Amino acid sequence: NAGVMQNPRHLVRRRGQEARLRCSPMKGHSHVYWYRQLPEEGLKFMVYLQKENIIDESGMPKERFSAEFPKEGPSILRIQQVVRGDSAAYFCASLHGQNTEAFFGQGTRLTVV
Amino acid sequence: DQQVKQNSPSLSVQEGRISILNCDYTNSMFDYFLWYKKYPAEGPTFLISISSIKDKNEDGRFTVFLNKSAKHLSLHIVPSQPGDSAVYFCAASAFQGAAGNKLTFGGGTRVLVKP
Repeated sequence: NAGVMQNPRHLVRRRGQEARLRCSPMKGHSHVYWYRQLPEEGLKFMVYLQKENIIDESGMPKERFSAEFPKEGPSILRIQQVVRGDSAAYFCASLHGQNTEAFFGQGTRLTVV
Repeated sequence: DQQVKQNSPSLSVQEGRISILNCDYTNSMFDYFLWYKKYPAEGPTFLISISSIKDKNEDGRFTVFLNKSAKHLSLHIVPSQPGDSAVYFCAASAFQGAAGNKLTFGGGTRVLVKP
């Protein structure tokens, strides 16, 4: 039973380009969270999705950021027109249901140059 | 508005002794609490959790204590081992019905276990 898979592990983008981060949840998990960790900071909630639905996007910046979790395929976090401040580690987590532990992927380290 | 706080950014402990990590929260709706361990360049790994209906949960060397009246929880690691050196995050969630339960994390405590 594979864990949460994130790719790529490392992503370098120039300012103004688009970044696409992918997350495949654990088998049987239909809930996906995205978190961001800035250098020397904790994990900040971005968005919570279930299959084909955005449940809570209260942590997503209003512009340039979007997320989806289609019926088939991985969840995608998209960042358009990246800026240096977007450089961070982005973690995806999946869980089976209410009040169960969330399992995290290895993260994608985005560097904007 | 930081709903989950870990006031000690770092902790140093001798191998074999007890490590005590503390976490405070402000949202009385939180009903499920978790501790995660994180090594550099890796994702957080689940350690142990506790439901608000309990005040203690133990798993091997790890014990989590919950004091609901004080809105405080702690993680005890005994005995501490060098491999326990990592950043530890406290997290909390509140049942939100159909909206699910997102995890709110504290800022983390970096633990260093000295041989």
